[in-house]
Amino acid sequence: SYEMTQPLSLSVALGQTARITCGGDNIGGKDVHWYQQKPGQAPVLVIYSDSNRPSGIPERFSGSNSGNTATLTISSAQVGDEADYYCQVWHTSTVVFGGGTKLTVL
Amino acid sequence: QVQLQESGPGLVKPSETLSLTCTVSGGSISGSYWSWIRQTPGKGLEWIGYVYYRGNTNYNPSLRSRVTVSLDTSKNQFSLRLTSVTAADTAVYYCASRGKTGSYYFDYWGQGALVTVSS
Repeated sequence: SYEMTQPLSLSVALGQTARITCGGDNIGGKDVHWYQQKPGQAPVLVIYSDSNRPSGIPERFSGSNSGNTATLTISSAQVGDEADYYCQVWHTSTVVFGGGTKLTVL
Repeated sequence: QVQLQESGPGLVKPSETLSLTCTVSGGSISGSYWSWIRQTPGKGLEWIGYVYYRGNTNYNPSLRSRVTVSLDTSKNQFSLRLTSVTAADTAVYYCASRGKTGSYYFDYWGQGALVTVSS
């Protein structure tokens, strides 16, 4: 099975840039998707296929993917960005999620 | 805008079968893939499986022996059956649709249904 590693938690100062990583063996060869989940709510897609933003997602959210690490970047982090973030890939006909990162905006 | 809504019992006894239905509105169930995903309390997300509108299915290997995902195109619904449940199956269960581009991601999610396994 394929495993992806995310930091359990990350803190960022208000207005600064948060970079959430997702590590996996040659993950750069896969499409990586990112979800934001706030307490009590369903996940929301924020980035698909490495770096594409769905309609309605602010430009502050961006993504990159190379080698063994995919990164979700949140520029000018806001209090409203506090949430859990999950990466996800498709691997050998199955869906795999990372363990999630809790982002705190200080 | 597609909307998904889970429904089903919130409490299931150990060893029995968990059954949930997802109703799709704002779009047709035809032409896409429809998945179930769960999240155990305080934990991450686990994909359970999908059904394609033509009836093809694919399941998480860790759950394959206990899972069935099916669809009813006449009602624009798809369903989950999970047999022989234990306390470890207590989770919030989400239904979700696959995104429209070539890769496999989830663009629309239901609000989630909490299912507790307890006697």
